[in-house]
Formats: sequence, C-alpha cells, structure tokens
Amino acid sequence: DSGVTQTPKHLITATGQRVTLRCSPRSGDLSVYWYQQSLDQGLQFLIQYYNGEERAKGNILERFSAQQFPDLHSELNLSSLELGDSALYFCASSFTPDTEAFFGQGTRLTVV
Amino acid sequence: TQLLEQSPQFLSIQEGENLTVYCNSSSVFSSLQWYRQEPGEGPVLLVTVVTGGEVKKLKRLTFQFGDARKDSSLHITAAQPGDTGLYLCAGTNAGNNRKLIWGLGTSLAVNP
Repeated sequence: DSGVTQTPKHLITATGQRVTLRCSPRSGDLSVYWYQQSLDQGLQFLIQYYNGEERAKGNILERFSAQQFPDLHSELNLSSLELGDSALYFCASSFTPDTEAFFGQGTRLTVV
Repeated sequence: TQLLEQSPQFLSIQEGENLTVYCNSSSVFSSLQWYRQEPGEGPVLLVTVVTGGEVKKLKRLTFQFGDARKDSSLHITAAQPGDTGLYLCAGTNAGNNRKLIWGLGTSLAVNP
C-alpha cells in the first residue's frame, strides 16, 4: 500500500459526460501528480500541483481540469468525454516536486 | 517529445535467464528512478540513483546510473516469474523547473 488513495477504482460512463476523479496523497506529501496511461501512449503526465498551486502542466486537454484543495487532496475533472479518453488515470504524490513519486492504484475509466 | 527512451520495448525470457534493460536520454538528469508496474496497479518505486556512475543493488536487481547522468540500466540476474511486469524509468531534469520525465517502459515476461 503506497498510502495514496484514489476513488473510484472503476468508472464507466457515456460519451459527452463529465466525471471527477479523486486523490488523497500520502500523509505529509505536498505534491500531487495526475497521469493518464493507455496501451499506445504509455504513462503520460497531465498536471502537477504543489501545496495547492499548479506547478507543471503536461499533455492535459482543455476538456480536463484539476485542482488541489487546502487539505491537499486533489480532483481531476474530465468533461465532454470521448471514447479515446478511456484509460487508467493515476494519481501520485511526493513530498517535494522533484522527489520520488508514490502512486495510487488508479481509476480505470471506460467511456462507452 | 519523449526524452527518455527505454529498450527493449518488450522482452520475453525463460526463468533463470539474465537480462538488462536500458533507459537513455540526451539530457542530463539530477536523479533517476526505476519503477515496476503490474497490470492494473500503479507503478511502484524500486530505486533512485543520484550520482553519476552509481550502482545500487536490490536482491537480484542491479541498477546503474551513467557517468554523465544521461542513461541508466537495470540488470536482473536469474529472472523469476515474479519479476514479470512493466519497468519504467523516470528522470528528474536538471535545472530550475524540475519535474519527472517518464520513459514508455520495458514490458518483461518471465516464463516458468
């Protein structure tokens, strides 16, 4: 158990819908990362937060947004979902932005 | 742009064989991490290397960071079926805006 909690574990939704994925980082970690993993793209970095502020942006679509709350948990919002958004979404946390990241078990999103 | 290249992409071997997988870049990294990911799970940190030329051992796994801190290798001795998984490397780029940069991974299958 990495100490990073992601909910839900599985999510099935229809195209055009909006979903919210939730992440609670390890106790004491200030930095949260979101990743998308699909078979053909590998692990793709989406966005990073550090102590509530956006720190770095990766390949995150405009239909996607995220935030980190004062209690350091984070949410990733995916809207106007398309079939191609089906993937595993991982949250990871680390103490500082450049130290080792510890991953949650992921949310498997299926868009039908 | 994929800054970390991992090779081979896929590897299937018999139990008891030795293997080496590589993580290469033209960029310098301040540190580099190796993770192992099992299907449906998040990546789990195996090791972090920070010094050029550093060698770290974890039971049958030997990790080496290149002298110039641009590449790394993972050698597994006497592979076992339990070593099966996706091996990912991630580097923290040198410079002011540090972040983790990921390779696409080497998918290893160890057959009994």
